[in-house]
Amino acid sequence: AQSVTQLGSHVSVSEGALVLLRCNYSSSVPPYLFWYVQYPNQGLQLLLKYTSAATLVKGINGFEAEFKKSETSFHLTKPSAHMSDAAEYFCAVSQPSGGSYIPTFGRGTSLIVHP
Amino acid sequence: DAGVIQSPRHEVTEMGQEVTLRCKPISGHDYLFWYRQTMMRGLELLIYFNNNVPIDDSGMPEDRFSAKMPNASFSTLKIQPSEPRDSAVYFCASIGQVGGTEAFFGQGTRLTVV
Repeated sequence: AQSVTQLGSHVSVSEGALVLLRCNYSSSVPPYLFWYVQYPNQGLQLLLKYTSAATLVKGINGFEAEFKKSETSFHLTKPSAHMSDAAEYFCAVSQPSGGSYIPTFGRGTSLIVHP
Repeated sequence: DAGVIQSPRHEVTEMGQEVTLRCKPISGHDYLFWYRQTMMRGLELLIYFNNNVPIDDSGMPEDRFSAKMPNASFSTLKIQPSEPRDSAVYFCASIGQVGGTEAFFGQGTRLTVV
């Protein structure tokens, strides 16, 4: 079984401030973990992914996430927020080693960036 | 590859009418998913296919919803009859099992039932 919990449906930051979006997962086998971003009126697109290599994963637009097995977390961070980062962010987990490529998505976190 | 292609992008229909949403997955991908996104429920998995075969349709809300995948390059999601509560954005996504990890999403179809 697998599940994802995203803490906070909305996160508000000032432009230039640190962005931290939280994601905790549960998985019965070593997971693959993903962050997707959804801009208004668009589909989800991959931001970054963890597939059992380096635990610190760098993605597009300056985002990164760290896989912490002991905490079952995969939080997304960016040192300095930009207005263009305002979007919906989804964390997801899948279990390819368990034979399942089916991703389970969190409820999403809306990032609001203030000038 | 042009990515996952959905049509139409927008659909407005009257209650009781039949609605058909279409999806062309990325060539070579084994898995195809249909999702529905609403403010209230977030992103819901409706059904998914593996190698054109429906595997899990437990997310399909009612018998009014049906999905088919007649071949590897085409899938449809049909609602008959449509109701106002079906108004949502419907996404199609695909994953390639061989060497694949992440899902690739289409742009979505925004359905409004009036």
